[in-house]
Amino acid sequence: QVQLVESGGGLVKPGGSLRLSCAASGFTFGDYYMSWMRQTPGKGLEWISYISYVGTTIYYADSVQGRFTVSRDNANNSLFLHMNSLRVEDTAVYFCARGSTGGSHFDFWGQGALVTVSS
Amino acid sequence: SYVLTQPPSVSVAPGQTAEITCEGTNIGDKSVHWYQRKPGQAPVLVIYYDSDRPSGIPERFSGSNSGNTATLTIIRVEAGDEADYYCQVWDTDSDHFVFGTGTTVTVL
Repeated sequence: QVQLVESGGGLVKPGGSLRLSCAASGFTFGDYYMSWMRQTPGKGLEWISYISYVGTTIYYADSVQGRFTVSRDNANNSLFLHMNSLRVEDTAVYFCARGSTGGSHFDFWGQGALVTVSS
Repeated sequence: SYVLTQPPSVSVAPGQTAEITCEGTNIGDKSVHWYQRKPGQAPVLVIYYDSDRPSGIPERFSGSNSGNTATLTIIRVEAGDEADYYCQVWDTDSDHFVFGTGTTVTVL
């Protein structure tokens, strides 16, 4: 069955860096685009990045453009989010999600990884 | 950037019908998808392409989209439907995915 498992969350100081990973299994990872989303405490879902099947096309939300970098390793069925210059407002649960085949929605999500930015 | 607005909360008695709206400029021209998120759990896709249901989602869930409003309808609401619901579209103008503000459904 399809599984997405995020890891790498934790506590980091403002201005610090963190790398999230998403391990995929149960499907051919390289056949799907992937995205990262986040949910801040008490607020809604926010899409933050998209990466195409082989990583040639990448998009970011304005809120993370220039600070976050998404990448993928299809050989090892892994998705990454490198987060730099972290701010208190980046505190959130971060989800990786699988994009639908030929569509504009996300058909499977991971359970999420908590990132806390605090001094 | 494209904005999707949902009511913050909807309350409904068990067995009744819940309607959750998602407003956006000419949203009827876009494909709208809906997700359910329960506390501590991963979001689950409940409706895609306005009105299609993924396998495993009860027929009690349906969707529609026209003009400036998309709607998620849950008939015969059960206690287990209590969750946050989000609409989502792909905005071709910005190459961004956009989520609605979210609606908390409370079963009385």
